[in-house]
Amino acid sequence: GQQLNQSPQSMFIQEGEDVSMNCTSSSIFNTWLWYKQDPGEGPVLLIALYKAGELTSNGRLTAQFGITRKDSFLNISASIPSDVGIYFCAGKGTQGGSEKLVFGKGTKLTVNP
Amino acid sequence: DTGVSQDPRHKITKRGQNVTFRCDPISEHNRLYWYRQTLGQGPEFLTYFQNEAQLEKSRLLSDRFSAERPKGSFSTLEIQRTEQGDSAMYLCASSLPGLPYEQYFGPGTRLTVT
Repeated sequence: GQQLNQSPQSMFIQEGEDVSMNCTSSSIFNTWLWYKQDPGEGPVLLIALYKAGELTSNGRLTAQFGITRKDSFLNISASIPSDVGIYFCAGKGTQGGSEKLVFGKGTKLTVNP
Repeated sequence: DTGVSQDPRHKITKRGQNVTFRCDPISEHNRLYWYRQTLGQGPEFLTYFQNEAQLEKSRLLSDRFSAERPKGSFSTLEIQRTEQGDSAMYLCASSLPGLPYEQYFGPGTRLTVT
């Protein structure tokens, strides 16, 4: 089946630093999404991307849909302590008839004040 | 708009017992999804409904699992004869017509099978 590989698995940064994480696959995806999950809670949608090459921002967050349709990245600028959490990428693949989203394993972000 | 709600938030059960979880989606959302998440993993798709019709089921959804959405509003997920491997967070999500992949998740039900 289609799989998403997220890197890095974890990041430890200082408050104020910029962060970059990415998501890759050997398969083509039609839609990419980025979610953030806090402990004990459900994921929260951050950004949705629908076209190859698309660059979308949401406040300090910027995400891009890779030109090859096999990757996406998420940048966070000027990190703050509340950015702590696990960031998941998710994609809608091209397997005929399936509407499911496939999720990566997440990037755990720790921000030191 | 109160968001997606799930009940209960936590459930501890003994192996072999049946459990049922409930999900109430955002009111104007026509699609409802169930996912399972284990420690260190992302959510894994189980099944989804469009209105009251169950349109897709994952191979993860064994015969012991059944989901319903009888009136196209709330949904239930039942697990029969629970096994220790069923211990996980069960997440529900919903989405608007026309934006099926922008899924909004509930807080989840954490199941522990002892």
